[in-house]
Amino acid sequence: GENVEQHPSTLSVQEGDSAVIKCTYSDSASNYFPWYKQELGKRPQLIIDIRSNVGEKKDQRIAVTLNKTAKHFSLHITETQPEDSAVYFCAASTGNQFYFGTGTSLTVIP
Amino acid sequence: EAGVTQSPTHLIKTRGQQATLRCSPISGHTSVYWYQQALGLGLQFLLWYDEGEERNRGNFPPRFSGRQFPNYSSELNVNALELEDSALYLCASSFFRGAYNEQFFGPGTRLTVL
Repeated sequence: GENVEQHPSTLSVQEGDSAVIKCTYSDSASNYFPWYKQELGKRPQLIIDIRSNVGEKKDQRIAVTLNKTAKHFSLHITETQPEDSAVYFCAASTGNQFYFGTGTSLTVIP
Repeated sequence: EAGVTQSPTHLIKTRGQQATLRCSPISGHTSVYWYQQALGLGLQFLLWYDEGEERNRGNFPPRFSGRQFPNYSSELNVNALELEDSALYLCASSFFRGAYNEQFFGPGTRLTVL
């Protein structure tokens, strides 16, 4: 089955700096890659997603890149703000099942 | 539009008992997914239901089971509870479109097994 690895597990950045979270997957049939943000005590919320026919997608300060050949995708957050502090999960899906990474705890230091 | 709802919010059981968790999807969504989120760990896929049928299940023992009702709401049952079943159980719903199923999560049920 699919195996999704996510790095780093924890990340601290100064406010205004950029943050990058990386994920790798193993199943070449995976074609949908969402990213979720989970604030403490709250449900995961979809923040951005990318499909396998696209290499990059951007939404304001958040961008995701996908390299199908290398089977990895990354989340980029620019101009980080304290409210970006949360746990971020990547996922890969073949359509039948979602496989989640183990999460990255991001702390933005004011 | 109402989001995904789950009940109860918290559930406390003792070892060997059974737990029943409920999920109501967003109106129009036909798929319900169940996940286990143990403390400090990621989301572990449990079950996927679509149109009343179990479509896939994760690597969990058979004492984890569930069903989906005609109104697309779903129930997760955990039999013979063990201490390590203590976790946050999240359900998510989507409108199954084959390849790209954007999932919307509920607030979760916190199950504590004593």
